[in-house]
Order: sequence, then structure tokens, then C-alpha cells
Amino acid sequence: EAGVVQSPRYKIIEKKQPVAFWCNPISGHNTLYWYRQNLGQGPELLIRYENEEAVDDSQLPKDRFSAERLKGVDSTLKIQPAELGDSAVYLCASSLGQLFDTDTQYFGPGTRLTVL
Amino acid sequence: GQQLNQSPQSMFIQEGEDVSMNCTSSSIFNTWLWYKQDPGEGPVLLIALYKAGELTSNGRLTAQFGITRKDSFLNISASIPSDVGIYFCAGRIGQGAQKLVFGQGTRLTINP
Repeated sequence: EAGVVQSPRYKIIEKKQPVAFWCNPISGHNTLYWYRQNLGQGPELLIRYENEEAVDDSQLPKDRFSAERLKGVDSTLKIQPAELGDSAVYLCASSLGQLFDTDTQYFGPGTRLTVL
Repeated sequence: GQQLNQSPQSMFIQEGEDVSMNCTSSSIFNTWLWYKQDPGEGPVLLIALYKAGELTSNGRLTAQFGITRKDSFLNISASIPSDVGIYFCAGRIGQGAQKLVFGQGTRLTINP
């Protein structure tokens, strides 16, 4: 079974440019998460989707970040315009979405963003 | 917001040694998870703990959910080179997979 797929794996842009990241979750997983992982830190949740609905976007900087999950499968995270402080690894994760404590999040390999 | 304090931040050990790391919080969690992250990859779940006091093993790994529900530890016995990586604890808030709060990670380096 394929895992969570993310692209691109690496992205280098200049500040003020836009950038987009794509995620394809594990087939059948209803819940999708975007995390940001700064260097030397653990992942921090940006947004969580239940199917097409963003049910927790409280940590998403909405002035420059946006996300969508059309049709409840693939998802795109966008930054416009990018700032130097946005350099980080952006991780996508998915889970079945059951409301049980045993539901497990599976992470993709991440996209490493460098803003110059 | 909730924060997890993970220690130590880094460890340098000899192959074959045992390893111990822990995580504490000022908040109560109903689930504790331990992940390992290799370079260029996402975190992979190692052990999940669902009840206070629970002690769970996965091969050479053993983890415990603290009685107060505010802490957890992970032990690795007889370390091998492939144990190298960054280990993260995570606490879950709410039921299901609603939200994970991660620690800062423990970087494990093994000298052969």
C-alpha cells in the first residue's frame, strides 16, 4: 500500500514569491493534516481536514497561508507571499479519521522549503 | 498552549548501550505516542500508549504512560546503528486523532 505522497520534496524560492505544496493521502483516509516543522523542533499542526471540511485551522497564518482539499482526497497548501521565517519542512499526514484513540496518523516525507 | 518538554535533547552513546528519554507536560493527555524520524523522512509511529500506567513494548523498545498522565518515557535496549535518528514524543488532545502536540525531539547518535 502506498504511503502519503508529497511533492515537491524540496523547494527554494525568494522571499515574496508564492509557493504551493501538494499532498496525496493514503487511500481511504478521511482525515488529512498539514504540519510545519522548524529546524530542531517537533511538528506543529497548521490545519486538519475531515473530508473536505477544514475542522481545525486555528494555527494557520491566514494572512499568507491557504489550503484546500477539493473532493476530500488530495490537498494543496499555499503560501503567498513567502517570508524568510517560512523556511521549514512542511509535513502532510493522514488517518482513517475514526473518533477512537487508536486512530494513527501516517506522515509523508515532507517538503523542505528554503526562502532566500 | 500545551507544551511538551522532552529530554535529553541529544544523546551520544556506544552501540549496545541502553537508552532512556522522557517527556513531561503541565497538561494531561489521554494518549502518549512515540515517533522516530529519519533524515529526509516523516515521523514514523513506534509505540502508542492509551492508559495511565500502561507499559508497552515493541521489540527492543519499551514505553510507559505516567500515572499522572503528564509524562512518558521511552527506553531502547541494546542499541544498534539503525536506531540513529530523532525521537519525538507526542500527546493527543481529545478523542480520536484530533490533535497531536509534539516534543522538541531527542537526537540519538550511536558510535560503532
